Amino acid sequence: SQQGEEDPQALSIQEGENATMNCSYKTSINNLQWYRQNSGRGLVHLILIRSNEREKHSGRLRVTLDTSKKSSSLLITASRAADTASYFCATDATGGSEKLVFGKGMKLTVNP
Amino acid sequence: GAVVSQHPSWVICKSGTSVKIECRSLDFQATTMFWYRQFPKQSLMLMATSNEGSKATYEQGVEKDKFLINHASLTLSTLTVTSAHPEDSSFYICSATGTGSFEQYFGPGTRLTVT
Repeated sequence: SQQGEEDPQALSIQEGENATMNCSYKTSINNLQWYRQNSGRGLVHLILIRSNEREKHSGRLRVTLDTSKKSSSLLITASRAADTASYFCATDATGGSEKLVFGKGMKLTVNP
Repeated sequence: GAVVSQHPSWVICKSGTSVKIECRSLDFQATTMFWYRQFPKQSLMLMATSNEGSKATYEQGVEKDKFLINHASLTLSTLTVTSAHPEDSSFYICSATGTGSFEQYFGPGTRLTVT
């Protein structure tokens, strides 16, 4: 079953605005990762945040992790039309498992 | 570095035939490879995990006799969809991890359409 669930499922914004996506999960994790997928294409790894980290930045991306609430957020600042894609969070369970559990995904549309 | 390729990128086959999809790690040795399936507008669902030289571990609900996985070398894993049916039409994505790393590198996916 999917333990990562993004909220909201679809978001449409104007270029230049910020986009925030939230993800919740159910079990203890080692890491949480965010991926991007353009329509009909493979996944592109965006950022990984470890369970002992609370915030991480990469360019226009900012990820937060709240392990007490079992939630994470991905903020894309100053969005561009090229950011239009689906975004997924993925978690790996503790215990050394390499398996990732993906959330349902969130479709972001950035209008020029 | 860490490039994973898939072949073919898309395939159309008739119901009842078998289709083989290849997943290759181009610049690293993939000790573990994962196969996912993604239906339109849905998330990725893990089908199976394969380690080089050993049998694949399938997720609950995935038929091992229908989805044959072979991980014969450290750079190649294959997924064969046997006796394909229209409901097998989907986007199949593989990923790979290298020795000592949990980071998964994803292939570009293969679009399978069964008519």
